[in-house]
Amino acid sequence: DAMVIQNPRYQVTQFGKPVTLSCSQTLNHNVMYWYQQKSSQAPKLLFHYYDKDFNNEADTPDNFQSRRPNTSFCFLDIRSPGLGDAAMYLCATSDSGSGGDEQYFGPGTRLTVT
Amino acid sequence: GEDVEQSLFLSVREGDSSVINCTYTDSSSTYLYWYKQEPGAGLQLLTYIFSNMDMKQDQRLTVLLNKKDKHLSLRIADTQTGDSAIYFCAESIGTGGFKTIFGAGTRLFVKA
Repeated sequence: DAMVIQNPRYQVTQFGKPVTLSCSQTLNHNVMYWYQQKSSQAPKLLFHYYDKDFNNEADTPDNFQSRRPNTSFCFLDIRSPGLGDAAMYLCATSDSGSGGDEQYFGPGTRLTVT
Repeated sequence: GEDVEQSLFLSVREGDSSVINCTYTDSSSTYLYWYKQEPGAGLQLLTYIFSNMDMKQDQRLTVLLNKKDKHLSLRIADTQTGDSAIYFCAESIGTGGFKTIFGAGTRLFVKA
């Protein structure tokens, strides 16, 4: 059974047109993350939520925003996508009470900007 | 700054052992991880090791940690074609695991 679900799996948007990517989880984990992964590169952390507390990485552009309305769902909003924002976006979760701090990833959403 | 480095490619024959190496820079790492990514999929945690351990074995997987040299390796015994994937080394900085630094991944090719 899928534990971290991302929708859609593939998203095409136009340059400058706002887009929202969705993530949901059935693990009841209190931490959720959004990563950007470009081809042949390491996943780059954009931000994470610890419960309702939002934590932005210092180098995450303002163009990227996030919402977490409840424990299960988290959204990534890209306000004005540029060509450089085309990438795979990975959602992950973790349980801050677990010993290993391991993260569980969704399958990703591949974003294409035309 | 924090950095994780790993070689980009490794090719082995089916049945041989694979060894994927990784170096990291942050000595305050609490956990070190190996994740596997198959084409079109997210990352799947394979195994992890606590920073005060030297070795961890899990079926065909052996993780070795040399904390002095900040070197982590993943050995896959009896490598199969299904092991072909990208393997990411990662380190968790500080407590809570909220800052995980990933390497760029090693693409493992397994030849039949």
